[in-house]
Amino acid sequence: NAGVTQTPKFQVLKTGQSMTLQCAQDMNHEYMSWYRQDPGMGLRLIHYSVGAGITDQGEVPNGYNVSRSTTEDFPLRLLSAAPSQTSVYFCASSSDRSYGYTFGSGTRLTVV
Amino acid sequence: SQQGEEDPQALSIQEGENATMNCSYKTSINNLQWYRQNSGRGLVHLILIRSNEREKHSGRLRVTLDTSKKSSSLLITASRAADTASYFCATEKGGYQKVTFGTGTKLQVIP
Repeated sequence: NAGVTQTPKFQVLKTGQSMTLQCAQDMNHEYMSWYRQDPGMGLRLIHYSVGAGITDQGEVPNGYNVSRSTTEDFPLRLLSAAPSQTSVYFCASSSDRSYGYTFGSGTRLTVV
Repeated sequence: SQQGEEDPQALSIQEGENATMNCSYKTSINNLQWYRQNSGRGLVHLILIRSNEREKHSGRLRVTLDTSKKSSSLLITASRAADTASYFCATEKGGYQKVTFGTGTKLQVIP
């Protein structure tokens, strides 16, 4: 049982490049979310999903796209990377509202 | 703006002492959750308290929730060096597991 797997663990992008951060969970969880963590800012919600085919925006969605074609996968796409998107990105999943989230180990992204 | 704010931002105590962290939030919630993050790692869920509950225990953790004051506290009793971490409160409102986090309390437990 791998839990929540995020790839890659580290990534350096040039301004304007695009990329996809991968997130997969093997716990059959309906709910999945993407957060970014910046120093002194805590975690901020980017996008979240309540099931396959259903996504919604969080607190800071601009510059990011998501889709949820399967229960297991919830990729986060950066459309045109900017230095302001330098951050640590966490994916998380949950089975229902009675339980908290299980987090992945994060992707450290640097945009130069 | 973020839903929750923790207080204090940083806390340093001796091993064996109790640690209390507070969380205030702005709008009505369905539940409030506490997480721990060790340096450079992902977050670990500690405890969830529903809006109709006032107190919950889990091992050395005690969480209280006061919905009239829109605040919660996390008490760690008999702290250990291994409790050194950042602690975050998170709130879920409106259903659908849309969970937003506060800015965290950095706890240092000195052996």
